[in-house]
Amino acid sequence: DSGVTQTPKHLITATGQRVTLRCSPRSGDLSVYWYQQSLDQGLQFLIQYYNGEERAKGNILERFSAQQFPDLHSELNLSSLELGDSALYFCASSVNGRAVETQYFGPGTRLLVL
Amino acid sequence: QQQVKQSPQSLIVQKGGISIINCAYENTAFDYFPWYQQFPGKGPALLIAIRPDVSEKKEGRFTISFNKSAKQFSLHIMDSQPGDSATYFCAASKNTGTASKLTFGTGTRLQVTL
Repeated sequence: DSGVTQTPKHLITATGQRVTLRCSPRSGDLSVYWYQQSLDQGLQFLIQYYNGEERAKGNILERFSAQQFPDLHSELNLSSLELGDSALYFCASSVNGRAVETQYFGPGTRLLVL
Repeated sequence: QQQVKQSPQSLIVQKGGISIINCAYENTAFDYFPWYQQFPGKGPALLIAIRPDVSEKKEGRFTISFNKSAKQFSLHIMDSQPGDSATYFCAASKNTGTASKLTFGTGTRLQVTL
């Protein structure tokens, strides 16, 4: 158990809908990362937050947004969902967000868009 | 654009054998190279990592070999065990303060047979 929690574990929704994925980092970790894992694209970095502020951005679609709240939990919002958004979404956390730190991954949220 | 190329896609090794997974990167600004291990239904977990100022790092049965001039690094698993059966991802990032963006390889599915 990494100490990172993600809810929900599974999510089934329809195209065009909007969903929110939630992540609670390990106690004491200030930085949160979101990743998308799909069969064709592999593990792709989406976005990083550090103590409430966006710090790094990857291949995140404009339909997707994220935020980190004062209690350090984070939410990833996916809107206007398309079939291709079906994937595993992982949240990870680290202490200070530096590249050399271990990122601890949560168990993921499996999203299925029908 | 695949900045970190990983091979092979899958690997079958007999128990006790050596598993070797290779990665190549393009961005010379990368200065941190972790390997992550992922079991089915779980999030990735850090296995071992290396900085480019050393050519080899060993932790137990796991060794990273790093060739800076060739922009290549590899994971060697000695005395491979059935419990090592998992998907392995190499990754790379550059140290930019509190911003971190891991770029992952496409993964290698390792199966260790009895």
